[in-house]
Amino acid sequence: GAVVSQHPSWVICKSGTSVKIECRSLDFQATTMFWYRQFPKQSLMLMATSNEGSKATYEQGVEKDKFLINHASLTLSTLTVTSAHPEDSSFYICSARGDGVTDTQYFGPGTRLTVL
Amino acid sequence: AQSVTQPDIHITVSEGASLELRCNYSYGATPYLFWYVQSPGQGLQLLLKYFSGDTLVQGIKGFEAEFKRSQSSFNLRKPSVHWSDAAEYFCAVGPPRGAAGNKLTFGGGTRVLVKP
Repeated sequence: GAVVSQHPSWVICKSGTSVKIECRSLDFQATTMFWYRQFPKQSLMLMATSNEGSKATYEQGVEKDKFLINHASLTLSTLTVTSAHPEDSSFYICSARGDGVTDTQYFGPGTRLTVL
Repeated sequence: AQSVTQPDIHITVSEGASLELRCNYSYGATPYLFWYVQSPGQGLQLLLKYFSGDTLVQGIKGFEAEFKRSQSSFNLRKPSVHWSDAAEYFCAVGPPRGAAGNKLTFGGGTRVLVKP
């Protein structure tokens, strides 16, 4: 149980385009979802927290107009990287937490974004 | 502010030998404690968690961790390492239920290399 999927697993795009990443909780309802960014050989950096049906809360220094987060249902959150640039290239990981899974975050497999 | 320290960036261990990964945290109260493992290019998998009760916690893949309040530590151990245990390990802390916010704070990670 407590499986989280991400799609796509990797994406390559041209500079200036937008990319959408989906995060789904497959077997539980995720009242809260989190988006992280991870640089090579580094720890995870929390970008934002989203609760179903409300606006995401962004961490300090994260541009909310560049990283659009939508949490429209209890099983789906999306991260859209708008007007992507090479410096946005990174590994993006989502996690999901539901009230029934005892305050535990379950992580997706990650999405590797490369912006050319 | 809470913080998590994993003092060892890299650890190399021979297959079959024991493994111990250190984790120290700074938090105003007893937080929820987690260990996650990440294989290259993958998301994070939960190994074990501590919320309350018995301070020795058993997890998956033969791992265990011991919470020591007096030392603010939550070290991860495995008696006999397998080659498949080579990965990055992250310790994380989160606020206890009822506390404000539900974000995890991650340590910097420890990369484990297993020698044949």
